[in-house]
Amino acid sequence: DADVTQTPRNRITKTGKRIMLECSQTKGHDRMYWYRQDPGLGLRLIYYSFDVKDINKGEISDGYSVSRQAQAKFSLSLESAIPNQTALYFCATAPGRSSYNEQFFGPGTRLTVL
Amino acid sequence: ILNVEQSPQSLHVQEGDSTNFTCSFPSSNFYALHWYRWETAKSPEALFVMTLNGDEKKKGRISATLNTKEGYSYLYIKGSQPEDSATYLCAFGNSGGYQKVTFGTGTKLQVIP
Repeated sequence: DADVTQTPRNRITKTGKRIMLECSQTKGHDRMYWYRQDPGLGLRLIYYSFDVKDINKGEISDGYSVSRQAQAKFSLSLESAIPNQTALYFCATAPGRSSYNEQFFGPGTRLTVL
Repeated sequence: ILNVEQSPQSLHVQEGDSTNFTCSFPSSNFYALHWYRWETAKSPEALFVMTLNGDEKKKGRISATLNTKEGYSYLYIKGSQPEDSATYLCAFGNSGGYQKVTFGTGTKLQVIP
């Protein structure tokens, strides 16, 4: 079984709809991250969390919200989806509290907003 | 927003050729530099992490060097094979936001058999 899972893997939705992407991990890591990947722009950080009481904005948090329901679960919501949120979304986890530690990525969710 | 740049954006090499590419990052407040390998239709996977100026890491035919004073890292692949085809990402961690990293845009490598 995969250590970091994301659901759904693919989603097509319409402008204005509320969408939730879910991430679960069995690695026991404290840190969890949400990134989006757009062609030519690399991975950009949306939100990150160190525990259920700690949520931090990344560089592109506008239009997104997150929930850390438990150490193992970190959900990303698009309150009112718009076409420029069409992207590949990755969840990642990492141990400890230092950026020295590598991140482990989920398989990605491909989201299309029409 | 920290500026992390990778060059070239893409390259094609023949099987057996050696190649290298560059990651540039801010030279101040350095904490860690990661390299990830990202194959098509898969997730990024970590290759190396380096923290000290002059660090060199090696895994098989792939190696990396680090110069924190001038703000760059090189990734080398010796004797490229088709299975090396992937996008190689670097990620910079600074001492200010030590819990997160900033990714470069990647170098997409295609090894032609």
